[in-house]
Amino acid sequence: NAGVTQTPKFQVLKTGQSMTLQCAQDMNHEYMSWYRQDPGMGLRLIHYSVGAGITDQGEVPNGYNVSRSTTEDFPLRLLSAAPSQTSVYFCASRRGVSGANVLTFGAGSRLTVL
Amino acid sequence: AQSVTQLGSHVSVSEGALVLLRCNYSSSVPPYLFWYVQYPNQGLQLLLKYTTGATLVKGINGFEAEFKKSETSFHLTKPSAHMSDAAEYFCAVKGNEKLTFGTGTRLTIIP
Repeated sequence: NAGVTQTPKFQVLKTGQSMTLQCAQDMNHEYMSWYRQDPGMGLRLIHYSVGAGITDQGEVPNGYNVSRSTTEDFPLRLLSAAPSQTSVYFCASRRGVSGANVLTFGAGSRLTVL
Repeated sequence: AQSVTQLGSHVSVSEGALVLLRCNYSSSVPPYLFWYVQYPNQGLQLLLKYTTGATLVKGINGFEAEFKKSETSFHLTKPSAHMSDAAEYFCAVKGNEKLTFGTGTRLTIIP
């Protein structure tokens, strides 16, 4: 199994540009989420989804959109990139919706906004 | 509100020495607690977790952690450090809110 696959691994954007970070999982996990990782701040939840057609905001949702049209895919869209969105982004999924279940992480996408 | 505090953003230990990474949490309900490890340029992977039952939890690569309710702690230990343990370690808590991660502790192993 591939697990959680994120693309691209690296991206450089100019301020104001838009882009989509892709996330796909092949484990039939109901729950999917996006985190950003910044030095000294740990991981912060951006958006999450408990199933196809259902999404909700996390701790830092501003400037990001998500959709969940299938169980497998959970893309993260940056509508108008800002330097403050320079970060490493991680997609993670888990079976079911219980908080006791373990998250499986992708390898990350490093985004730089100039 | 739930929270997690990791004491020490950087910890260095000699190869073969005891590893102790500290984690304290707050939660208004009995928590689930996790330790994740991140190797360079990789995503996070689970080391161990506590949900219910035995308070001493054993994980992969010889790590273990003990849930101490009275101290609201979930410290991670390993008796003898190996060079391959060099990584960043994250403690996380799940109470009645979404999973909350600590800010991480970078572990360096001195040869």
